[in-house]
Amino acid sequence: DTGVSQDPRHKITKRGQNVTFRCDPISEHNRLYWYRQTLGQGPEFLTYFQNEAQLEKSRLLSDRFSAERPKGSFSTLEIQRTEQGDSAMYLCASSLVLPAGGPDTQYFGPGTRLTVL
Amino acid sequence: AQKITQTQPGMFVQEKEAVTLDCTYDTSDPSYGLFWYKQPSSGEMIFLIYQGSYDQQNATEGRYSLNFQKARKSANLVISASQLGDSAMYFCAMREPLYNQGGKLIFGQGTELSVKP
Repeated sequence: DTGVSQDPRHKITKRGQNVTFRCDPISEHNRLYWYRQTLGQGPEFLTYFQNEAQLEKSRLLSDRFSAERPKGSFSTLEIQRTEQGDSAMYLCASSLVLPAGGPDTQYFGPGTRLTVL
Repeated sequence: AQKITQTQPGMFVQEKEAVTLDCTYDTSDPSYGLFWYKQPSSGEMIFLIYQGSYDQQNATEGRYSLNFQKARKSANLVISASQLGDSAMYFCAMREPLYNQGGKLIFGQGTELSVKP
């Protein structure tokens, strides 16, 4: 059973460039979350999908950010016209939500560390 | 608004001793879930333990136990028989109410645990 994977693990880019990150969730999981973590802070929620539907976006997610999960499997997070303030660890998590309920535990990937120069 | 507070920025513990990491939370909803995650220097968030607000007993998972005091709104993590590999950041998190379909996690600031040989 493979866990959540993210690619790339590290990305260095220049201000103004576009970047795209990929997340592959645990195969049977129907929910996928994106979080952002800056140095010394806990992760902050960005957005989440249930299957292919994007159901919630944080106010942190400016118009420069877009996320997709086209077939309800992997997801991509794109940042356009990157700014230095976008430098952070971007974490992806997945969970399995059942109609009967349950803890809905989120399992995280290793993250993508973005540095904007 | 929901909030998680971890008041200990850093903690030291001697190898093989027990340590308690504090977490208090604030919510007006009767239905919620509390999680603890470990984040080593590699960056990956590792799920440790879960406690539901309606659970009658404190959660335990191997060397991890959760001291859940609902009236005081605290959910402290107890690690028994500390090992050198326990050195990491530890985050307490709360999930949105169970009746809310969102499920995003709200994290505290984290506690950095250092285990001394």
